[in-house]
Amino acid sequence: DSGVTQTPKHLITATGQRVTLRCSPRSGDLSVYWYQQSLDQGLQFLIQYYNGEERAKGNILERFSAQQFPDLHSELNLSSLELGDSALYFCASSRDWASDTQYFGPGTRLTVL
Amino acid sequence: GDSVTQMEGPVTLSEEAFLTINCTYTATGYPSLFWYVQYPGEGLQLLLKATKADDKGSNKGFEATYRKETTSFHLEKGSVQVSDSAVYFCALNNPPSGSARQLTFGSGTQLTVLP
Repeated sequence: DSGVTQTPKHLITATGQRVTLRCSPRSGDLSVYWYQQSLDQGLQFLIQYYNGEERAKGNILERFSAQQFPDLHSELNLSSLELGDSALYFCASSRDWASDTQYFGPGTRLTVL
Repeated sequence: GDSVTQMEGPVTLSEEAFLTINCTYTATGYPSLFWYVQYPGEGLQLLLKATKADDKGSNKGFEATYRKETTSFHLEKGSVQVSDSAVYFCALNNPPSGSARQLTFGSGTQLTVLP
């Protein structure tokens, strides 16, 4: 158990809908990362937050957004969902923005029908 | 940009066989290198890491040495067990000064160990 929690574990929804994925980092970690794991793209970095502020953006679609709250949990919002958004979404956390070791949560499996 | 190339799987071995999973990288500067493991139905677990040239990371009988001259970080284990069956990901972290440390992953190698 890495100490990173993600909810829900599974999510099934329809095209065009909007969903919110939630992540709680390890105790004491200030930085949160979101990654997408899909069969065709592999594991890709989406976005990073540090202590409530966006730190870096990767291959994140404009339909996707995220935020980190004062209690350091983070939410990833996915809107106007398409079939191709079906994937595993992982959250990871690290002690601070400069830490090179990230600890991953169990993931949320999103299925868009 | 940075990239990681892993040997293609799947890899199938008998129990107690020797394991090597090749990983090479392309990056400027001095990245940190990692191996993560994903067991069926679970998230990624950090297996080992190395942060500078000639460092050897080790954990649970797995080892990998950071070879800057060959830009490689091959994963090895002397005697695999059925419980080692999983997907193994090589990754690097190479931020420009002051930038975020997102991970760049290889495509993953599926390992199956037969009893």
